[in-house]
Amino acid sequence: AQTVTQSQPEMSVQEAETVTLSCTYDTSESDYYLFWYKQPPSRQMILVIRQEAYKQQNATENRFSVNFQKAAKSFSLKISDSQLGDAAMYFCAYSGGSNYKLTFGKGTLLTVNP
Amino acid sequence: SAVISQKPSRDICQRGTSLTIQCQVDSQVTMMFWYRQQPGQSLTLIATANQGSEATYESGFVIDKFPISRPNLTFSTLTVSNMSPEDSSIYLCSVSRWRKETQYFGPGTRLLVL
Repeated sequence: AQTVTQSQPEMSVQEAETVTLSCTYDTSESDYYLFWYKQPPSRQMILVIRQEAYKQQNATENRFSVNFQKAAKSFSLKISDSQLGDAAMYFCAYSGGSNYKLTFGKGTLLTVNP
Repeated sequence: SAVISQKPSRDICQRGTSLTIQCQVDSQVTMMFWYRQQPGQSLTLIATANQGSEATYESGFVIDKFPISRPNLTFSTLTVSNMSPEDSSIYLCSVSRWRKETQYFGPGTRLLVL
């Protein structure tokens, strides 16, 4: 079974600084996708970024980028120029296998200090 | 991405009763999923809602407790039956247009069982 591990229960960052959230996963599949979702206090799950395993290039979305190390099964999220609105729970998720269902990590609570 | 709505947004229920949660999408989608998020926890997949056939349940979840309907490609319901306080959670539906596509989430239903 696929597993997703987020080793940082909580992280904090100063406004305008950069922070990196860690995620590792375990799979025997060759075709899979990785995601970072954000869940603010409103509880809405919001897609931050998606990475296809077959792509070597790291995905980027504005201030958000990933460091995808396929051999190491590592998928970290870097948030640049952190803003107060980035404060949320961040979940790393894996999608693969026969039905591509999502498997989530336990989450990292990010606090942004003004 | 699709616009997804859930009803109700929150509810307080008495133990032993049942609650049906609705998930409506503004466009046709192939895949619909139901997740549970217990307090302070990550998301756990309950089942995949299959259009025109019985839902596919994950280990630990059974149809008698969580019956699911999916009459068409834009609508699904999840019923939480014979509720106990342990069922107090956020229930979220998610959708994707195709099997390998990104899942997008509804706003969630916060359930408290007394």
